[in-house]
Amino acid sequence: GENVEQHPSTLSVQEGDSAVIKCTYSDSASNYFPWYKQELGKGPQLIIDIRSNVGEKKDQRIAVTLNKTAKHFSLHITETQPEDSAVYFCAASISGGADGLTFGKGTHLIIQP
Amino acid sequence: SQTIHQWPATLVQPVGSPLSLECTVEGTSNPNLYWYRQAAGRGLQLLFYSVGIGQISSEVPQNLSASRPQDRQFILSSKKLLLSDSGFYLCACYSVGDTQYFGPGTRLTVL
Repeated sequence: GENVEQHPSTLSVQEGDSAVIKCTYSDSASNYFPWYKQELGKGPQLIIDIRSNVGEKKDQRIAVTLNKTAKHFSLHITETQPEDSAVYFCAASISGGADGLTFGKGTHLIIQP
Repeated sequence: SQTIHQWPATLVQPVGSPLSLECTVEGTSNPNLYWYRQAAGRGLQLLFYSVGIGQISSEVPQNLSASRPQDRQFILSSKKLLLSDSGFYLCACYSVGDTQYFGPGTRLTVL
């Protein structure tokens, strides 16, 4: 089955700097890659997603890039703010998300004031 | 957009006791529904998913079971809880052409 590796497990950046989180996946048939933000004690919230027919997607300060050849995708957050502090999860699916998602183990992002 | 409700929000149960967690969805019809478990400081593990009433697919062998008695209701159960069943249980919903959205979760502690 699909395996998703996520790095780093913890990332500390200064407020205003950029943060990058990277994920690799094993199944070349995967075609859908969402990113979720989870605050303590809450359910994950979708922040951005990308499908395999697109190489990059941007939404204000957040962007995701996908390299299908290398089977990796990355989350980029620019101009980080204190409210960006949370745990971020990447995920992959071979069915566009319909049959469930395989998640990475998460990255704890800490924004230093 | 859909709204997912889960209850209870927190639960403390003794080992060997039964379990019933409920998830209901508003704002969509005939969704796929999912149960995930998140152990402390870990990622999410898919436990069950359902594409329709009475249709359940199990992803991992365990002492848990799931049922879908109505289109927008998904239930997670156990006859006898184990210590290892402790965790944060999340219900999720997917509609064709959309993505997966998660509910607020249930924190289960088995003592």
